[in-house]
Amino acid sequence: DTAVSQTPKYLVTQMGNDKSIKCEQNLGHDTMYWYKQDSKKFLKIMFSYNNKELIINETVPNRFSPKSPDKAHLNLHINSLELGDSAVYFCASSQESGGGGSPLHFGNGTRLTVT
Amino acid sequence: LAKTTQPISMDSYEGQEVNITCSHNNIATNDYITWYQQFPSQGPRFIIQGYKTKVTNEVASLFIPADRKSSTLSLPRVSLSDTAVYYCLVVGTGGFKTIFGAGTRLFVKA
Repeated sequence: DTAVSQTPKYLVTQMGNDKSIKCEQNLGHDTMYWYKQDSKKFLKIMFSYNNKELIINETVPNRFSPKSPDKAHLNLHINSLELGDSAVYFCASSQESGGGGSPLHFGNGTRLTVT
Repeated sequence: LAKTTQPISMDSYEGQEVNITCSHNNIATNDYITWYQQFPSQGPRFIIQGYKTKVTNEVASLFIPADRKSSTLSLPRVSLSDTAVYYCLVVGTGGFKTIFGAGTRLFVKA
């Protein structure tokens, strides 16, 4: 059973297009996240949602719009894709706030390539 | 949020014990020390977490001195499959914002 699953695994698209990445977790966790890992391998938090409510938005451009239809899903929609959006996007979940005692569980990532 | 400092990279040989030390001088009273492992093309995976003294599980041990300003992740008898990036984090309660540093790239050679 995959705990945190993301689709698609690979996404190749052209500049200016709109694309979505889906994420689902079957762990019963309250909190879900999106992280971005760039070519230098730095892992940066983008958003966190708790019980479908946006908690953290780390100054991500408005072109990125997360949506959480329920606690088990957090999708990421990206408008007007730019070359700099090329990266690996990871979805994660945790019980509560991801603090002590509630580590993050990550999906295997979506590699987005914008040409 | 407490910042962590760890070596950029380390090399080891199969069968050796590997110790990766992390500094976190500004750790707060309610912060936990947490380590993740990331293989290429995969998401980070939680390895171990501790608050003080020593914690051991089936994968690793975590040593934390009394002042908690540093910690050491110990991997016993590494194998080639332990080649990965290891991230040290300090995580407080609440916040919903787990911050990752650059990590330590461990390369295990035959």
